[in-house]
Amino acid sequence: NAGVMQNPRHLVRRRGQEARLRCSPMKGHSHVYWYRQLPEEGLKFMVYLQKENIIDESGMPKERFSAEFPKEGPSILRIQQVVRGDSAAYFCASSPSTAYEQYFGPGTRLTVT
Amino acid sequence: GESVGLHLPTLSVQEGDNSIINCAYSNSASDYFIWYKQESGKGPQFIIDIRSNMDKRQGQRVTVLLNKTVKHLSLQIAATQPGDSAVYFCAGAGGSYIPTFGRGTSLIVHP
Repeated sequence: NAGVMQNPRHLVRRRGQEARLRCSPMKGHSHVYWYRQLPEEGLKFMVYLQKENIIDESGMPKERFSAEFPKEGPSILRIQQVVRGDSAAYFCASSPSTAYEQYFGPGTRLTVT
Repeated sequence: GESVGLHLPTLSVQEGDNSIINCAYSNSASDYFIWYKQESGKGPQFIIDIRSNMDKRQGQRVTVLLNKTVKHLSLQIAATQPGDSAVYFCAGAGGSYIPTFGRGTSLIVHP
């Protein structure tokens, strides 16, 4: 059973460009969570989605950031007009239900130049 | 909201010793705690969890202790091995299923 997959693993964008991060949950998992991690920091929750629904986006910046989890295909975290402060590792996790145990992907490391 | 933190940023131990990583939390409503291990360049990996109605839980070579009186939990790793070298995070969760992570403790195991 493949784990949570994220791509790309590394992404470099210039200021003002758009970044799209993809997450494919584990098979059978319909709950997806996105986190951001700055160097030497813990993970900060951004958004929690189920298929076609955003359940909790309390950790998501109000502007430039959006997330979706369509009926078909991976979950997408989209960052428009990236700035240097967006440089971080972005992790996706999935769970089979509304449960505490989440399985994390390897992360996407975004660098904004 | 929840505030979760670890006492020490770095812990160095000798291979074969036992390791103890500590964590404090602030929200009395937290009813679930998780320990994660994160190796360099990888995502967090679930180690062990404990619910607030327990004070101890054991896994393979790991034990988590929860002291609700002082809002403290610890992760004990027996016979620490070089493969245990990583950053360890504690996380707490309350009514929502969204864990709040602490900053992490880097465990360095010397052969």
